[in-house]
Amino acid sequence: KNEVEQSPQNLTAQEGEFITINCSYSVGISALHWLQQHPGGGIVSLFMLSSGKKKHGRLIATINIQEKHSSLHITASHPRDSAVYICAVRETSGSRLTFGEGTQLTVNP
Amino acid sequence: NAGVMQNPRHLVRRRGQEARLRCSPMKGHSHVYWYRQLPEEGLKFMVYLQKENIIDESGMPKERFSAEFPKEGPSILRIQQVVRGDSAAYFCASSLNAVSGANVLTFGAGSRLTVL
Repeated sequence: KNEVEQSPQNLTAQEGEFITINCSYSVGISALHWLQQHPGGGIVSLFMLSSGKKKHGRLIATINIQEKHSSLHITASHPRDSAVYICAVRETSGSRLTFGEGTQLTVNP
Repeated sequence: NAGVMQNPRHLVRRRGQEARLRCSPMKGHSHVYWYRQLPEEGLKFMVYLQKENIIDESGMPKERFSAEFPKEGPSILRIQQVVRGDSAAYFCASSLNAVSGANVLTFGAGSRLTVL
């Protein structure tokens, strides 16, 4: 079992739909990152969370430390949101990141 | 502020050759991390360096791979005697601080190594 599990692995949505991507982890963490990887391969850091909720534009990230679970929400999705979304955790015992396998999101016009 | 710069973006090597991948962190960042993404797989940690020091190399293969981050110049990930299984995207990220959970990582665009 991976230390970081994401669901779903693949997600197809219609433009305008509300999107939720989930991340569960099994280790103690000091922070959780949500990353976006576009088809060209570049990686962008979207959020870093250690508690609560963060919002940036149409993106919202939440984390529940007790349940070891985080969600990434996209409101009013758009085709340009199509990308792989990756959850990564920084364990309390060190500084390395452990990554989920990613969620491939496709938003159709 | 040019962000994290990686070069080359694409590198083709024949089996047995050496590959050198460079990473210049963001200005002011002294912590560098290397990650590898094999085809159709997720990102995996390789090594964490500070200036002139390797802090954590637990994700680095024991043979043929080495990394450095000299006092002057970029961090370098070196792969000797490359094999086809080394074909992957290698990403570098940098941060201002390390241990705090509050620091932000900035990623480079990656270097894609193809071994023929």
